[in-house]
Amino acid sequence: EADIYQTPRYLVIGTGKKITLECSQTMGHDKMYWYQQDPGMELHLIHYSYGVNSTEKGDLSSESTVSRIRTEHFPLTLESARPSHTSQYLCASSIGGNEKLFFGSGTQLSVL
Amino acid sequence: DAKTTQPTSMDCAEGRAANLPCNHSTISGNEYVYWYRQIHSQGPQYIIHGLKNNETNEMASLIITEDRKSSTLILPHATLRDTAVYYCIVRVSSGSARQLTFGSGTQLTVLP
Repeated sequence: EADIYQTPRYLVIGTGKKITLECSQTMGHDKMYWYQQDPGMELHLIHYSYGVNSTEKGDLSSESTVSRIRTEHFPLTLESARPSHTSQYLCASSIGGNEKLFFGSGTQLSVL
Repeated sequence: DAKTTQPTSMDCAEGRAANLPCNHSTISGNEYVYWYRQIHSQGPQYIIHGLKNNETNEMASLIITEDRKSSTLILPHATLRDTAVYYCIVRVSSGSARQLTFGSGTQLTVLP
């Protein structure tokens, strides 16, 4: 069983608010990722990290930012949420050269 | 990474084998075939992967043609809980964190 956790599971907020989506894994994986997915649509990689203090932007441009201060923690922050940010955000992790990703349950974000 | 082609949707009767095809005619010699599935509103789940030999685990079997231009994921006894979107992904297994591109996948519906 994968041990990767995302909180909150659902979040409804007003426009302009700053939010942080939490993602933690207890497997000691060096690589972590954030994907964004709209209903019925493809997953798009928005951020990834090779390890501590390493972050890169993914294929889909995003106004969010990430940090990787600890191996197990990879939070995603939106400084000023807008309705266009409404989506599901999925966090994942993997180890070494293994492309087997473990995903969290996701955060469904709704910005009003 | 090689492009993959999958049918948009498939149905399968409960208890029967579900055979999900994937074409990857431009696959190169060092690219693996990965299968994931995503049950509605959850994060994707790794199923199986292979290079050129057929593979089997507790979830499914993966059959790769000799020329490696196509593969089939087999769920031997489909249940209602196997209803999900199934993604076939071709990827070089490397240390890079540049990650899996999920595409549109096949919506498998298991019918009672």
